[in-house]
Amino acid sequence: KQEVTQIPAALSVPEGENLVLNCSFTDSAIYNLQWFRQDPGKGLTSLLLIQSSQREQTSGRLNASLDKSSGRSTLYIAASQPGDSATYLCAVRNAGKSTFGDGTTLTVKP
Amino acid sequence: EAQVTQNPRYLITVTGKKLTVTCSQNMNHEYMSWYRQDPGLGLRQIYYSMNVEVTDKGDVPEGYKVSRKEKRNFPLILESPSPNQTSLYFCASSPPPGLTYEQYFGPGTRLTVT
Repeated sequence: KQEVTQIPAALSVPEGENLVLNCSFTDSAIYNLQWFRQDPGKGLTSLLLIQSSQREQTSGRLNASLDKSSGRSTLYIAASQPGDSATYLCAVRNAGKSTFGDGTTLTVKP
Repeated sequence: EAQVTQNPRYLITVTGKKLTVTCSQNMNHEYMSWYRQDPGLGLRQIYYSMNVEVTDKGDVPEGYKVSRKEKRNFPLILESPSPNQTSLYFCASSPPPGLTYEQYFGPGTRLTVT
């Protein structure tokens, strides 16, 4: 059974810092890995999707990498802003099944 | 606008009273799925459907039913809701694995069973 772990569970940084969120998974036979953002009590906003054949994806200040062989992905956020405060979730797809990590709750202090 | 819609957005009901949460997508996606989100347990998959008339269990299917009679709709049915099904429910859809297979999520349905 696929298991997904996100470390750290919570992170607090001052505005302007660069930071890295980690996601690890146990079964490397994945179709893709997707990073989401969730604000309190709200839905999921897709940030980046990395196909199993890709190594990284970039969107603005966000960069996600994937090392399928080691079962790891990182989400790099450059020049963090208070508006980046949210919970970040990663999800892996194996055929029809999706498994989510528990998320990293990020607080960016002004 | 391409979107996944869920109805109702909020629902309070009593134990044992059958209910249906609807999910609809306008992107012609083959794949649809239901999740529940609970504090401390994260998002867990309930059921998914790879195409019309094809459904399969996720990690927590007990107490739920689904049907996929049309491509755009994937309702979640609780035949006899219990308090442990109080949760935030999300529906999602995606194109088939040959394409990006990116999931698009609905806004969520907050269900309270008393």
